[in-house]
Amino acid sequence: GESVGLHLPTLSVQEGDNSIINCAYSNSASDYFIWYKQESGKGPQFIIDIRSNMDKRQGQRVTVLLNKTVKHLSLQIAATQPGDSAVYFCAEINTGNQFYFGTGTSLTVIP
Amino acid sequence: EAQVTQNPRYLITVTGKKLTVTCSQNMNHEYMSWYRQDPGLGLRQIYYSMNVEVTDKGDVPEGYKVSRKEKRNFPLILESPSPNQTSLYFCASRPGISLPYGYTFGSGTRLTVV
Repeated sequence: GESVGLHLPTLSVQEGDNSIINCAYSNSASDYFIWYKQESGKGPQFIIDIRSNMDKRQGQRVTVLLNKTVKHLSLQIAATQPGDSAVYFCAEINTGNQFYFGTGTSLTVIP
Repeated sequence: EAQVTQNPRYLITVTGKKLTVTCSQNMNHEYMSWYRQDPGLGLRQIYYSMNVEVTDKGDVPEGYKVSRKEKRNFPLILESPSPNQTSLYFCASRPGISLPYGYTFGSGTRLTVV
């Protein structure tokens, strides 16, 4: 089955710096990818998504990059703020619409 | 407000005592799912439902039951809980299986079985 992993389990950044969180996926046929944010004591929240026919998508302070050649997904957060502290994980959705979730990277923003 | 509501938020129970975790969504979503989240393992799907009266097993269904009698509700039933079912549980919904939309998650139920 699919394997979705994250390169680093924890990441600490200074407030105001940019953050980059990475995700590797295994199924080259996957069609759709989503980044979720999970704050302590809460359920995962949708941040941004990208279809496989795109290589970049931007939202408010967030950018997702998709490199299909190496099956790599990244989430960039610009000007990281204390409220960005959370666990971030990616989800890979295959052509059968099955979701596979990564284990998450814990982002800590240092004031 | 569009949301998935699950109850209770926290539950401590004893081995073998049947329990139900309720889940309700107000978005008219067809697809609902239960996940458990354990450290280092990420979200694993327990059961899912594509519509009323249609349910199917996910990756870790053992020890769980579900029902979907109404579109909005999708309760998770543990007939005889065991300590290995201690976990954080999430109910989630999305519009349909054929649409490229992500899940909306509930706030979670932290279950401890002693």
